[in-house]
Amino acid sequence: GAVVSQHPSWVICKSGTSVKIECRSLDFQATTMFWYRQFPKQSLMLMATSNEGSKATYEQGVEKDKFLINHASLTLSTLTVTSAHPEDSSFYICSARDGGGSGANVLTFGAGSRLTVL
Amino acid sequence: QKEVEQNSGPLSVPEGAIASLNCTYSDRGSQSFFWYRQYSGKSPELIMFIYSNGDKEDGRFTAQLNKASQYVSLLIRDSQPSDSATYLCAVNYFGNEKLTFGTGTRLTIIP
Repeated sequence: GAVVSQHPSWVICKSGTSVKIECRSLDFQATTMFWYRQFPKQSLMLMATSNEGSKATYEQGVEKDKFLINHASLTLSTLTVTSAHPEDSSFYICSARDGGGSGANVLTFGAGSRLTVL
Repeated sequence: QKEVEQNSGPLSVPEGAIASLNCTYSDRGSQSFFWYRQYSGKSPELIMFIYSNGDKEDGRFTAQLNKASQYVSLLIRDSQPSDSATYLCAVNYFGNEKLTFGTGTRLTIIP
């Protein structure tokens, strides 16, 4: 089945630094990837839709200048948290849809990246 | 605003019993419905999806969809301790690739 690889799985950084998270579709091409954020004991909240070769579409309330998304190829999307602050500490999860599958909008998730900002 | 509602639990079920998880949604334009399982500290993994009214069975899992009443449920038969997790309901709307997730129900299977 479809596999989405996400890296790093966890990262600790100092306040004010930037962190990049990579999301790769390993055995399929993904024109669209999705970035979610999950705070403890809460559900997944969609941050943005990453579109290959074009600008990402951000959800309401998500700062596009703070959460930079680049989708330069059909298998790679990156999320950069710029000038991270402690309130950005969260579990970031990417997902992608394998368009060659059943036709339903089945998303495959990466393993997630746990960000802790000190 | 499109909403997906789940009872947060925790729901405790004895081992071997049937666990029943429910989800309601607000938008009648909803097209596809998904159940994901999420273990603590891990990302969600797909259990099954359904888009036609009625039941869909996959092993010990059965998804039930009732579009008239706008609810979808997940039954887990012969519950095992390894089924203890948070179960997320997600809904996809016609013409939209995005999934909207419920808050999840935390299920605990008691040995």
